[in-house]
Amino acid sequence: SQTIHQWPATLVQPVGSPLSLECTVEGTSNPNLYWYRQAAGRGLQLLFYSVGIGQISSEVPQNLSASRPQDRQFILSSKKLLLSDSGFYLCAWSPLAGSTDTQYFGPGTRLTVL
Amino acid sequence: RKEVEQDPGPFNVPEGATVAFNCTYSNSASQSFFWYRQDCRKEPKLLMSVYSSGNEDGRFTAQLNRASQYISLLIRDSKLSDSATYLCVVHEQTGGFKTIFGAGTRLFVKA
Repeated sequence: SQTIHQWPATLVQPVGSPLSLECTVEGTSNPNLYWYRQAAGRGLQLLFYSVGIGQISSEVPQNLSASRPQDRQFILSSKKLLLSDSGFYLCAWSPLAGSTDTQYFGPGTRLTVL
Repeated sequence: RKEVEQDPGPFNVPEGATVAFNCTYSNSASQSFFWYRQDCRKEPKLLMSVYSSGNEDGRFTAQLNRASQYISLLIRDSKLSDSATYLCVVHEQTGGFKTIFGAGTRLFVKA
């Protein structure tokens, strides 16, 4: 069966510090991968998605970036965090590129920027 | 107009009650629809897909009305464990693909 991992689970970082969040998927090949952010009391905002290694599409301009160095690894990064980057970061995967298949979420990383 | 709109609630209902949520979407070309459930401080989890003919899974019934561009979720015989936020999700495929999450409807079921 497929599983998706994210770490760390929680993170507190000062403004201006760098960020690296990691997501890995097991039990499947060639998944679509997604990064979402959920601000407190708000809906999910799609940040990035990837249909393959090295292929990243950005949905919202921001100071974040994403990379996919391996088929089942997706990394979210920032060189300098802002207060507004605080939120709940969720990685998700779906089995087929551009399909109507559902997305499955990892446990998330709760980021607080102080 | 938001692409996907939900009443944020909260809906406060007693155990055993029937409760219904609606969700409207703006793009008539939307292709597939889902309901997710999100518990406090947890990740969203798929509750059910929504099919054109409507579908049922135990106490949960989902309906799609393409003409009026809304989907609904009906929960019968509410349980305390149904307390959560219910997210409406719409998937579009026009050019690329796009999945849009509603902000969610909060449900509290009380004894």
